Amino acid sequence: EDQVTQSPEALRLQEGESSSLNCSYTVSGLRGLFWYRQDPGKGPEFLFTLYSAGEEKEKERLKATLTKKESFLHITAPKPEDSATYLCAVQRSNDYKLSFGAGTTVTVRA
Amino acid sequence: DSGVTQTPKHLITATGQRVTLRCSPRSGDLSVYWYQQSLDQGLQFLIQYYNGEERAKGNILERFSAQQFPDLHSELNLSSLELGDSALYFCASSVGDPGVHSLHFGNGTRLTVT
Repeated sequence: EDQVTQSPEALRLQEGESSSLNCSYTVSGLRGLFWYRQDPGKGPEFLFTLYSAGEEKEKERLKATLTKKESFLHITAPKPEDSATYLCAVQRSNDYKLSFGAGTTVTVRA
Repeated sequence: DSGVTQTPKHLITATGQRVTLRCSPRSGDLSVYWYQQSLDQGLQFLIQYYNGEERAKGNILERFSAQQFPDLHSELNLSSLELGDSALYFCASSVGDPGVHSLHFGNGTRLTVT
């Protein structure tokens, strides 16, 4: 069965203090690894898809990277509006559903 | 705005009752997925439909059922409700076959069972 483990569970940052979130995964035949952002009371919002080890993607202050066993989401010089729960999910090669980790809740203080 | 519409936004009902949650996918998307999110379980996959046919099933209870209609909207039916069914229920849609496609989520229906 697919396993997705995210760490830390919670992260409190000062505005401008860069940090990284970790997503470790075990999946039989990875089709893609996904990062989502979720604000309280809202649905997950798609951020990135990574397909193969070594791939990197960037969007504003966020950068996602992928290895064969884990993915990192780097937040550079975060702002309060980056406060959210960040979810990692995997999609296996013979399937289309996503299996999610429990998420990392990021709080950025001004 | 993801383009996925879920109704109602909130639902409060009593134990033993039955409710129906509705989802309209993004224009052009053929696949619909239902997820349950509770505080202690995270996002759990329930079921997927593709162009009207059931494609995959997760840990969906026998009391729960779903269908996708010819116009591609989907409904999730929850019956004999228990307190533990209180959760956020999300619908997501994607293009479907073939290839890798991200899922786009609606803003959910918050179900409270009292």
